[in-house]
Amino acid sequence: GENVEQHPSTLSVQEGDSAVIKCTYSDSASNYFPWYKQELGKRPQLIIDIRSNVGEKKDQRIAVTLNKTAKHFSLHITETQPEDSAVYFCAAIRTYKYIFGTGTRLKVLA
Amino acid sequence: NAGVTQTPKFRVLKTGQSMTLLCAQDMNHEYMYWYRQDPGMGLRLIHYSVGEGTTAKGEVPDGYNVSRLKKQNFLLGLESAAPSQTSVYFCATRQGGYGYTFGSGTRLTVV
Repeated sequence: GENVEQHPSTLSVQEGDSAVIKCTYSDSASNYFPWYKQELGKRPQLIIDIRSNVGEKKDQRIAVTLNKTAKHFSLHITETQPEDSAVYFCAAIRTYKYIFGTGTRLKVLA
Repeated sequence: NAGVTQTPKFRVLKTGQSMTLLCAQDMNHEYMYWYRQDPGMGLRLIHYSVGEGTTAKGEVPDGYNVSRLKKQNFLLGLESAAPSQTSVYFCATRQGGYGYTFGSGTRLTVV
């Protein structure tokens, strides 16, 4: 079945630096790749997504890149701020259901 | 619009007791999902539904049952709760190719 691996599990960066989280997926037919941010005690919230016919997508300080050949995609956060501290999940979907990665806890140090 | 509403928000059960978690949505979404979230293990799919009257198993369905008698409601049942079912449960809905909308979660403790 589909499997999504996410790295690193924890990431600490200085405020203002960039953060990169990487995911790989196993099902080459996956066609939609969202990223979710989950603050402590809250529900996951969609922050950016990319479809398989697009290589890169940006939204202000957040960007996602997709390499279909290598079956991996990455989240890039630039100019990190303390409010970026949270757990981030990647996911891959082919038909009806997402398979999530195990999450990355990002800490932005002031 | 309430979006996705989960009830209850918190519950403590004794081993062997049963309970039902309710997910209600007012967005007319076709797809509904139940996930459990455990520390270090991310979100794991329990069961899902692609429309009224349909259900299907996810990654970790054992010990759970579901029903989708009405399009707006998706129920998750625990017939005989076990401590291993202590978790945070999230319901999610989706329409077409768009991302999930999550409920606020149910924190369940089985003692």
